[in-house]
Amino acid sequence: AQSVTQPDIHITVSEGASLELRCNYSYGATPYLFWYVQSPGQGLQLLLKYFSGDTLVQGIKGFEAEFKRSQSSFNLRKPSVHWSDAAEYFCAVGELYGNKLVFGAGTILRVKS
Amino acid sequence: DVKVTQSSRYLVKRTGEKVFLECVQDMDHENMFWYRQDPGLGLRLIYFSYDVKMKEKGDIPEGYSVSREKKERFSLILESASTNQTSMYLCASKTGANTEAFFGQGTRLTVV
Repeated sequence: AQSVTQPDIHITVSEGASLELRCNYSYGATPYLFWYVQSPGQGLQLLLKYFSGDTLVQGIKGFEAEFKRSQSSFNLRKPSVHWSDAAEYFCAVGELYGNKLVFGAGTILRVKS
Repeated sequence: DVKVTQSSRYLVKRTGEKVFLECVQDMDHENMFWYRQDPGLGLRLIYFSYDVKMKEKGDIPEGYSVSREKKERFSLILESASTNQTSMYLCASKTGANTEAFFGQGTRLTVV
């Protein structure tokens, strides 16, 4: 079965600093990968997705992610973090031959001024 | 824009009550999902539905049931609420395989 690991439960970065959130997946074929963001008390919003093609994917709010098949990773990056980026971030993989998404446990991002 | 609407943002129910959580989507999506979100555990799938009147158990179906009588509406039912069902519940919908899911704003349920 597919699984997603987000190794960092909490990350704190200074405003203006760069950010990288890690995501590793286990999957038997070319994965369909997603990053979602959840602001406090809200539902999940799609940041970006990877289906095929260019391994560097651009998303909303200045985020990007890079798919690395050799490392089974899909890390999320942002060059300069803003205080409004404080939220919880979830990585997900699409189920092989199915319609479900499998989510990681999430990473809570804190931004200090 | 796709809209997924959950009927309540906050609910407080008593132990043993029957609880209904409602979700409506407006984009004619075939697939709808109910997730439970708890700190440190991410999103865990309770049930999903791939068509009207069709449903499949997810990872944690115990204590829950679902109903999908119309394509746009997917209900989660707690037959007899218990305190360990206090959680955030998220509804989502999507079209076919390998597409993204769209989420509602969540319902925070407290069972006392």
